[in-house]
This record gives sequence, structure tokens and C-alpha cells, in this order.
Amino acid sequence: NAGVTQTPKFQVLKTGQSMTLQCAQDMNHEYMSWYRQDPGMGLRLIHYSVGAGITDQGEVPNGYNVSRSTTEDFPLRLLSAAPSQTSVYFCASSYLAGTSGRETDTQYFGPGTRLTVL
Amino acid sequence: DAKTTQPTSMDCAEGRAANLPCNHSTISGNEYVYWYRQIHSQGPQYIIHGLKNNETNEMASLIITEDRKSSTLILPHATLRDTAVYYCIVRVRGNTPLVFGKGTRLSVIA
Repeated sequence: NAGVTQTPKFQVLKTGQSMTLQCAQDMNHEYMSWYRQDPGMGLRLIHYSVGAGITDQGEVPNGYNVSRSTTEDFPLRLLSAAPSQTSVYFCASSYLAGTSGRETDTQYFGPGTRLTVL
Repeated sequence: DAKTTQPTSMDCAEGRAANLPCNHSTISGNEYVYWYRQIHSQGPQYIIHGLKNNETNEMASLIITEDRKSSTLILPHATLRDTAVYYCIVRVRGNTPLVFGKGTRLSVIA
């Protein structure tokens, strides 16, 4: 298994540009989420999804869109990049505890995308 | 806001046990204690979790007080590779998000 993969690893954008951060997992996990981490801070939840076609907002959703058309993929779209969105973005996935007899809801994180907005 | 309180930083000598405390005085009866760590800006890594009994796995032990208001993560023989930020998180199991605080920065010293 490749686990959770994220592309690109690094990205530089100009203010106002849009882009999509890709996240994919090959573990058939129902739950996927996006976090951002600013320097010296903990991770903050942007959006999450409990299955294909279902998404919900986290703590800091403004300026970001998500969709979940397949179990494997959970892209994060920046609509109009701003310098305040300069951060490291992490994607994570897990099973839903208690579903299909699974007892674990351990979240697996990708390696991150380092985004700079000028 | 995170529901836990952790020291900002700790040092530990290589080969010694690292004991990382966490206070969670407002924990609810159905909330578990989870520990994750983040090594040098990599994605966080799951360590262990528990409800009220002490837990042990190949990475660490988790000791939860009887009143469940605090816990301690124990790395029995810390190595340099255990240098990381350790996050203590309380949450209901299932499709509830992880809420990260600032964690404890553990430095393992040779």
C-alpha cells in the first residue's frame, strides 16, 4: 500500500490564483480530512468527509472547497489564494470506528504540501 | 479549542524513559485519550489510545488516572529518533475530527 499520498510537495502561488491540492489513499478508508499547519502551531481542520458524496466543514473552512466523488480521492481547492493561506497542508484518512466490524479509527497522514502564496 | 494541557517542551536522555504528561480535566465519559507525534514537519503519526485502562503497544505505554483527568505517555527507552512534537488529544471515537493543540516538543539528548 502506498498509504496517503499528496501532490504536489511544494507549490508557490501568486495572490488570486487558484489551485487544487491532491490527496489519495489506497486503504479503502471512509474518513478523509484536510488540515493546515502554520509555523509553530498545531494542525487545524479545514474540511472532512465521512464517505463519497459527504463533506463537512472544520475549524477553518473559509477560502477552501472540497468534494468527494470517490472513496480514494479528496482534493482541496483554493479558490483565490491569499498570503494568509501560506501553510503546510496535510491530508489524513481512517476507517470509521465500528463500521464493518473494524475497531480502529487510527488516522494516517500524508507527507504534506508546502504552499507559499506571494 | 483543544481540551488538553501539555508542557511546551521536555528533554530526555537517550536510553531513559520519557514520561509525557497531559491534563484533560473536562474529559467526558465517552471520550478517549489519543496520542500522536510529529517528527520534523512530517505528517503526524499515531502512537496509542485508551479509554480508562492502561494500554501498551510496541511504541509506548499509556497510563490514565482513575478519575481520567490526566494521563501519561511513556516511551520506555527513548532514542534520538523519538525527538518530535507529541500531541495528546481527547475525542469520541468514530467520525469525529482530531483537534490538535500545540503539543509537547520532546528533545532526546545523546
